[in-house]
Amino acid sequence: EDQVTQSPEALRLQEGESSSLNCSYTVSGLRGLFWYRQDPGKGPEFLFTLYSAGEEKEKERLKATLTKKESFLHITAPKPEDSATYLCAVAISGGYNKLIFGAGTRLAVHP
Amino acid sequence: GEEVAQTPKHLVRGEGQKAKLYCAPIKGHSYVFWYQQVLKNEFKFLISFQNENVFDETGMPKERFSAKCLPNSPCSLEIQATKLEDSAVYFCASSRQGDDYGYTFGSGTRLTVV
Repeated sequence: EDQVTQSPEALRLQEGESSSLNCSYTVSGLRGLFWYRQDPGKGPEFLFTLYSAGEEKEKERLKATLTKKESFLHITAPKPEDSATYLCAVAISGGYNKLIFGAGTRLAVHP
Repeated sequence: GEEVAQTPKHLVRGEGQKAKLYCAPIKGHSYVFWYQQVLKNEFKFLISFQNENVFDETGMPKERFSAKCLPNSPCSLEIQATKLEDSAVYFCASSRQGDDYGYTFGSGTRLTVV
């Protein structure tokens, strides 16, 4: 069965304390892996798409990497405004474009 | 516009009543998706459309849920005879055909069944 698992479930950081979020996946055929940010009361906001092992993408303090079994979202020197839930999702081959989501990591960055 | 518009933002229904949710995708986007988000951020895929045609409905509870995307009208998700477990936030998303930049989500409709 296709599955996406995110860890940790929740993460508390001090401002400036870098860390990484993990997304491991077991799927029949990966077409793409997506990272989203979700703020309370809002829909997910697209961050990155990764397609193949070894690929990396960066945006401001965020960097996403992909291996054959997992993806990491690295947060460098986070700020309080980075506090949100970070969602990982995969699109699978033959999956007709639907996304399979992980349960998310709730990140809180304190000043 | 460049946003997916969902209405209403909040909907309260008594158990057994009907609920209807609406979604206006971004103009030019061919695909529309409905997801249900329950507690603990669990997103469940419900149905997708390619233009007005059902593309994938493997996630739909067929007895009470139905959805449509008609030309020149917002897409809709209807729940007949709501149950307490239907309480959730329902998100709509749209994408261009072959979109490699992820899907654009709306802000969701929070359905509360009492």
